[in-house]
Amino acid sequence: EVLMTQSPATLSVSPGESVTLSCRASQSVSSYLAWYQHKPGQAPRLLIYGASTRATGVPARVSGSGSGTEFTLTITSLQSEDFALYYCQQYNNWPDSFGQGTKLEIK
Amino acid sequence: EVQLVQSGAEVKKPGESLKISCQVSGYIFTKYWIGWVRQLPGKGLEWLGIIYPGDSDTRYSPTFQGQVTISGDESISTAYLQWGSLKASDTGMYYCVRRELDCSSGLCYGYYLDYWGQGTLVTVSS
Repeated sequence: EVLMTQSPATLSVSPGESVTLSCRASQSVSSYLAWYQHKPGQAPRLLIYGASTRATGVPARVSGSGSGTEFTLTITSLQSEDFALYYCQQYNNWPDSFGQGTKLEIK
Repeated sequence: EVQLVQSGAEVKKPGESLKISCQVSGYIFTKYWIGWVRQLPGKGLEWLGIIYPGDSDTRYSPTFQGQVTISGDESISTAYLQWGSLKASDTGMYYCVRRELDCSSGLCYGYYLDYWGQGTLVTVSS
């Protein structure tokens, strides 16, 4: 199984700032990488797939990049609704695997 | 509008059986893979398995092979996850998800999770 490692575990940031979350795969997953946002009491929401394609309704200030083993999710001009848990997921190899998550909290 | 609506929270004792459901609407049930993902308390997300309702092709994560059974009922557009004998370690939140084929690069390969159910909390305690 491909091991996905996200860093950092927690990020404390002020609204209006920008952040970059990292995700590393233990072997190449090409561009078959997705990012999800998860808020307490809600179902996770797809943000990015194909490493860089925004899902429907995701604002342009959210972007993904990377390929192979190194990926990033960048969110600019942080708003209150962005503070949540973020997971990356590889789907190049079954079983798909998730990172352990990065919690984005308000500073 | 695509929706995945899961059955309600369950409280069970160790050794009991359980079957939870995920009813879909807004798309053709038999045309997409449906999967089950769990989140243990304070932990990340793990795959249990997937089913293609069109032909009932079912695949399990090695960790869960033999531990759970995934099935579907085309007549009511519903997928199921069941346990024959629950353990306390099965306590967690279980999500059903729809898998969409990734064609973003021009080559269609791999499936991301475009819709999620609201989750079913399963508590196993004596």
